[in-house]
Amino acid sequence: GQGVEQPDNLMSVEGTFARVNCTYSTSGFNGLSWYQQREGHAPVFLSYVVLDGLKDSGHFSTFLSRSNGYSYLLLTELQIKDSASYLCAVRDRDTNAYKVIFGKGTHLHVLP
Amino acid sequence: DPKIIQKPKYLVAVTGSEKILICEQYLGHNAMYWYRQSAKKPLEFMFSYSYQKLMDNQTASSRFQPQSSKKNHLDLQITALKPDDSATYFCASSQPGQGNSDYTFGSGTRLLVI
Repeated sequence: GQGVEQPDNLMSVEGTFARVNCTYSTSGFNGLSWYQQREGHAPVFLSYVVLDGLKDSGHFSTFLSRSNGYSYLLLTELQIKDSASYLCAVRDRDTNAYKVIFGKGTHLHVLP
Repeated sequence: DPKIIQKPKYLVAVTGSEKILICEQYLGHNAMYWYRQSAKKPLEFMFSYSYQKLMDNQTASSRFQPQSSKKNHLDLQITALKPDDSATYFCASSQPGQGNSDYTFGSGTRLLVI
């Protein structure tokens, strides 16, 4: 069936890095996005990938492997303010083009 | 200035009543969406509209009815409210046809049904 899976929680230390993993299963694939969501706030768009490989956007980098149904969001030089939930979202091509399926989100805790 | 306005921000309703959640976007986008988020659950897709036409409906209950009076409006009417309807309802928009599937979300309406 269709779905987007992410670990519930992830802990890392300020100044280091964190990798947020996402696996997905869709009948078609038309792109994957990452969003940041702080408690009590709306999701905010971070990155979009549709081709395999690593997309380096500075503080946030995104990797995609379509054959494995896998993506990760890499945060480098972590700051305390990076503590938030990170949502993986996949657009399914074989269903209506306007539906994006979200994962539950991974809550990243950045420790001092 | 907020690009997507949702009203009200907080809403308390009595079981069995009816409420309308308002959403207006000022991004010039042609597609609008409603998502619901409950505690410990993922953002759940409800509806998508493009050029004021319903594109996809994943909400099983007919108690949820989207209403689009203008291209940049997509309100959500909920009738016969139940406590299980308590959640945060997010409106979002995007520009179809662009390769980037970037959604812009409103700040949400937090609904509590008692």
